[in-house]
Amino acid sequence: GAVVSQHPSRVICKSGTSVKIECRSLDFQATTMFWYRQFPKKSLMLMATSNEGSKATYEQGVEKDKFLINHASLTLSTLTVTSAHPEDSSFYICSARTRQGETQYFGPGTRLLVL
Amino acid sequence: SQQGEEDPQALSIQEGENATMNCSYKTSINNLQWYRQNSGRGLVHLILIRSNEREKHSGRLRVTLDTSKKSSSLLITASRAADTASYFCAALTGGFKTIFGAGTRLFVKA
Repeated sequence: GAVVSQHPSRVICKSGTSVKIECRSLDFQATTMFWYRQFPKKSLMLMATSNEGSKATYEQGVEKDKFLINHASLTLSTLTVTSAHPEDSSFYICSARTRQGETQYFGPGTRLLVL
Repeated sequence: SQQGEEDPQALSIQEGENATMNCSYKTSINNLQWYRQNSGRGLVHLILIRSNEREKHSGRLRVTLDTSKKSSSLLITASRAADTASYFCAALTGGFKTIFGAGTRLFVKA
């Protein structure tokens, strides 16, 4: 089956620093990638949708300047949490879908802890 | 709110019993998928049902879809302790966004 990887799997950083999370589709070309955020014992909240080569579309309430998304190639999307604060601590999950695909394939997630 | 609703929020059963989880959504959909998530891990795709389908089976899983009621159910038969996890429905909308339900936390006691 299709595999999506995320790196890093876990990151701890100081408040005020920026953190970049990578999402890669390993064996297929992902025309669309999605970024979700999940709080403990809660569901996934869609943050943004990115299509290769174009700007990401952010969901209402998600700060574009805070969560920078780049989808530069058909196999890589990055999420940068800028000037991270403790309230940004969360589990971030990406997913990828092909142009024709119905199914989204999810990465294993990145746990971010901001001290 | 982005989220659909799921019930129950939590379910505790004995091994061997069946587990039924329900999901409701708000908009028209292209398909609905069910995922499983173990604590602190990523999502595992279980089954997809298209908007023109009413029922689908995969091993011990049975999914139904009622588009008139905007609801779906996931049945796990003969549950095992290893089925303990959170289960989410996810609706693919006409705008090609996937919106997740709130999830059901299933605990299967050995």
